Amino acid sequence: GAVVSQHPSWVICKSGTSVKIECRSLDFQATTMFWYRQFPKQSLMLMATSNEGSKATYEQGVEKDKFLINHASLTLSTLTVTSAHPEDSSFYICSAKDVGQYFGPGTRLTVT
Amino acid sequence: AQSVTQLDSHVSVSEGTPVLLRCNYSSSYSPSLFWYVQHPNKGLQLLLKYTSAATLVKGINGFEAEFKKSETSFHLTKPSAHMSDAAEYFCVVSDTNFGNEKLTFGTGTRLTIIP
Repeated sequence: GAVVSQHPSWVICKSGTSVKIECRSLDFQATTMFWYRQFPKQSLMLMATSNEGSKATYEQGVEKDKFLINHASLTLSTLTVTSAHPEDSSFYICSAKDVGQYFGPGTRLTVT
Repeated sequence: AQSVTQLDSHVSVSEGTPVLLRCNYSSSYSPSLFWYVQHPNKGLQLLLKYTSAATLVKGINGFEAEFKKSETSFHLTKPSAHMSDAAEYFCVVSDTNFGNEKLTFGTGTRLTIIP
């Protein structure tokens, strides 16, 4: 139980375009999901907390207009990186809260 | 504010010998503490968690950790390393007061197993 999926697992996009990453809780409902980013050989940094039916709460230093988060249902949260630039290239990981937090496998974004 | 410090960025041990990965935490409230493992190109897997029950916590794959409040430590140990243990390990803290469920990750410890 408590499986979280992410789609896509990896994506390459051109600078200036937008890309959407999906996070799904497959066998439980999650009112709260979290988005993290991980740079190579570094730790995970929390970007935002996504609450179903309300606006996301962003951590300090994270641009909410650049990283759009939508949590429209109890099993799906999406992260859209708008006008992506090479410095946005990273590993994006979501987690969904059940009794604990369960992590998705991550999405590797490369912006060329 | 909460934080964790993983004292070693890289640990190497021989197969069959004990593993010790060190973690110190700082928390304003009663913390929950976790150890996660991340294998290359894989997602994070929870090894074990401490949530104010028994101070010695047993996890999966033979790992265990002991919560020591006086030392603000939560070190991860395993009696005998296996090649499959080679991975990145993260110590994580969460303040449990007021339902704060934000996880704060340490910088990670890369465990290498020598054959």
